Amino acid sequence: EPEVTQTPSHQVTQMGQEVILRCVPISNHLYFYWYRQILGQKVEFLVSFYNNEISEKSEIFDDQFSVERPDGSNFTLKIRSTKLEDSAMYFCASSVNSGPSGIVMNEQFFGPGTRLTVL
Amino acid sequence: DQQVKQNSPSLSVQEGRISILNCDYTNSMFDYFLWYKKYPAEGPTFLISISSIKDKNEDGRFTVFLNKSAKHLSLHIVPSQPGDSAVYFCAASANFGNEKLTFGTGTRLTIIP
Repeated sequence: EPEVTQTPSHQVTQMGQEVILRCVPISNHLYFYWYRQILGQKVEFLVSFYNNEISEKSEIFDDQFSVERPDGSNFTLKIRSTKLEDSAMYFCASSVNSGPSGIVMNEQFFGPGTRLTVL
Repeated sequence: DQQVKQNSPSLSVQEGRISILNCDYTNSMFDYFLWYKKYPAEGPTFLISISSIKDKNEDGRFTVFLNKSAKHLSLHIVPSQPGDSAVYFCAASANFGNEKLTFGTGTRLTIIP
C-alpha cells in the first residue's frame, strides 16, 4: 500500500540553525500539507501546497518557514533560523483532492513524522 | 481557538464491547469530518470519514455518526479489540475536505483484555 515517507525521523539542531525536513508524498496525490504537534498539544496545520504554490498557510507559518517541491517526488519544509519553540513533531500529509464538485476523496494521509529538537 | 473539541481525554473499554468516542465542533463551515488513530511516535492513521451530506458511514468495525444540528459526531468501534488501544483524533475540514484539517485534542482509548 502506498504511503507517505519522511526523513529524517529525528533531527537535533542548535537554535538559529537552518533545518530541512523532507517528505515523499503518495505518488498520485495532488495536495501536500505540513502539520506539527508540540508535545502534549493538538496537531496544528502549518501550510498546504497545490500546483507548485502555497494554497493556504497558518499564522505559525511565518517568514522563517518555506516549502518547496524541488522535483516530482519530494516536498520539503525549511526552517531558516530555528527557535526553541520550533521543537515538535512535524508531519507531512498528502491527499488526492478530486475537487468540491466531484467525489469526496480528500482523506489526508500522514507520514510517520520528524521529531525536531532545538537546543 | 477550540473549533473541534474532544471532551474525554481518555476512555477504557472491555474487549469485545463497543467503544464510543465523541467530538463536537463549532465552525458551521466544516462539512467533512475524519477520524484518525495515532500510536506514540507515529503519524496519524486515517480510519474513516464522513461528509455533511450523510449522517452515517460504516467501514467494518468502525461507524461514524454525524449530527449536524448538534454539531456532533461520534466514532463507534464494535467489537473493540486490544489493538484498538491508541489515541483517536477527530478532524474537520471545510469545502468538502479540500482545505486544512482542524484537529481535536484526542481521546486515549484503552481496551482492557
